[in-house]
Amino acid sequence: DIQMTQSPSSVSASVGDRVTITCRASQGISSWLAWYQQKPGKAPKLLIYAASSLQSGVPSRFSGSGSGTDFTLTISSLQPEDFATYYCQQANSFLPIFGPGTKVDIK
Amino acid sequence: QVTLKESGPVLVKPTETLTLTCTVSGFSLSNARMGVSWIRQPPGKALEWLAHIFSNDEKSYSTSLKSRLTISKDTSKSQVVLTMTNMDPVDTATYYCARINQLLWLSFDYWGQGTLVTVSS
Repeated sequence: DIQMTQSPSSVSASVGDRVTITCRASQGISSWLAWYQQKPGKAPKLLIYAASSLQSGVPSRFSGSGSGTDFTLTISSLQPEDFATYYCQQANSFLPIFGPGTKVDIK
Repeated sequence: QVTLKESGPVLVKPTETLTLTCTVSGFSLSNARMGVSWIRQPPGKALEWLAHIFSNDEKSYSTSLKSRLTISKDTSKSQVVLTMTNMDPVDTATYYCARINQLLWLSFDYWGQGTLVTVSS
C-alpha cells in the first residue's frame, strides 16, 4: 500500500500568518491527492482535490500544489476559523490512504 | 442537497459483530460517478479508510481489515451497510460514511456526521 506522511505534525501560528503543510507519498501518485480540514467533533471537509483544484465554496486563501510524491497545502493568511487539523489523502488507487494529520493551533 | 447519515449501535461487546448503516439522500447509489466509503477515526487519532462500494457493486477493502469487513448496498433504500466482525476495544472510534466522487478525482466531497462506537464488555 502507498504510505502518506505529513510535516509538521503540528504548527503554532498567528492570525494573518502564511502556513504551509507538506504531504509526501511513498510512491508517485501523479496529482491524485486531496486535502481536508477537520475541526474538533466535526466531520472532515474537502478543501482541495486533484492536488491543486479548490473545492467549491472553499476560500481562495487555501491552495494546493505538487505532483508525484511531494505536495503542499498553503493557507496564505490564516484566519481564526482555520485553526483545525489538516489531512492529506492519496486517491491514486481504489485504496485511499490518509496522512497522519497536521494540527494548526494558535500561537 | 446531499446528505449522509450513519446509524448503528453505540456500544458493542468484544468479539461481537458491528453493523452500521449509511442512509444517503440527494444522490442515487446507482450514479456511476459516485460511491460510498466508510472511514473511521479513533479518539484523538487520524482518519482510517475502511471500505467503499460503487454503483456497479465494485467493492474495495482496507488491506489490514479486509478479513473482517463486508460492505453492501441497497439502492432502493439508498443505504450502504458495513459489517465488521470480531470487534475489539481498539476498534472504538467514530465511524463516518462519505461520498467518493469520481468527478473530483476520487475525493470525499460529502460526509456524514459520524457515529461513535465504543467496544467494551
